Amino acid sequence: QVHLVESGGGVVQPGRSLRLSCVASGFNFSNCGLHWVRLAPGKGLEWVALISSDGTNEYYTDSVKGRFTISRDNSNNTLSLEMSSLRVEDTGVYYCAKDPSPSGDTTLDSWGQGTLVTVSS
Amino acid sequence: DIVMTQSPDSLAVSLGERVTINCKSSQSVLYSSNDNNYLSWYQQKPGQPPKLLISWASTRESGVPDRFSGSGSGTDFALTISNLQAEDVALYYCHQYYTTPLTFGGGTKVELK
Repeated sequence: QVHLVESGGGVVQPGRSLRLSCVASGFNFSNCGLHWVRLAPGKGLEWVALISSDGTNEYYTDSVKGRFTISRDNSNNTLSLEMSSLRVEDTGVYYCAKDPSPSGDTTLDSWGQGTLVTVSS
Repeated sequence: DIVMTQSPDSLAVSLGERVTINCKSSQSVLYSSNDNNYLSWYQQKPGQPPKLLISWASTRESGVPDRFSGSGSGTDFALTISNLQAEDVALYYCHQYYTTPLTFGGGTKVELK
């Protein structure tokens, strides 16, 4: 059974940094693309970033480019999101999600429960 | 970016009724080389993560009741729930994975009348 467990969320001031983690189990981690998707209060789902199975390719939504970095550790089945220069509009629940294809170009078939990030002064 | 537009924003229906949610993409999500539509549907209930219902526009995920069906191609898609059950009350999102940035529709809230 697929399990994705996010952690690292919290309350942070604008301009500060935060690192999210997602520990995975129940599937062949090193063969799957991985995504971060967020849900802002009162808004819809927004895709944030994607990393390929071997970590060589990364993609980001424009609003986080240069501020967020996605990475993975295939030896420890862990996905990370390093977030810097945080803005109020980055507030939301952050989900990690699994993509069955190594390149991350198919659908997101399993999601974690999410971790809440609140950016506020 | 591909903009996904869902309609309606919300609807209230009675138990046992049929529900249709529409989704229109600003450009085609049909990949001609493999004839696949890169379109999924998700269900999200309060406090829970999204659950994948349909991928490739019309392929139901394992364990999803057969009252859920997806249709459409190119830029126009629909999710149909036949015989609505109480447990189907939720938010529904369409999603394109044809190209980055991946994008989602704004969501459709299904409630009981």
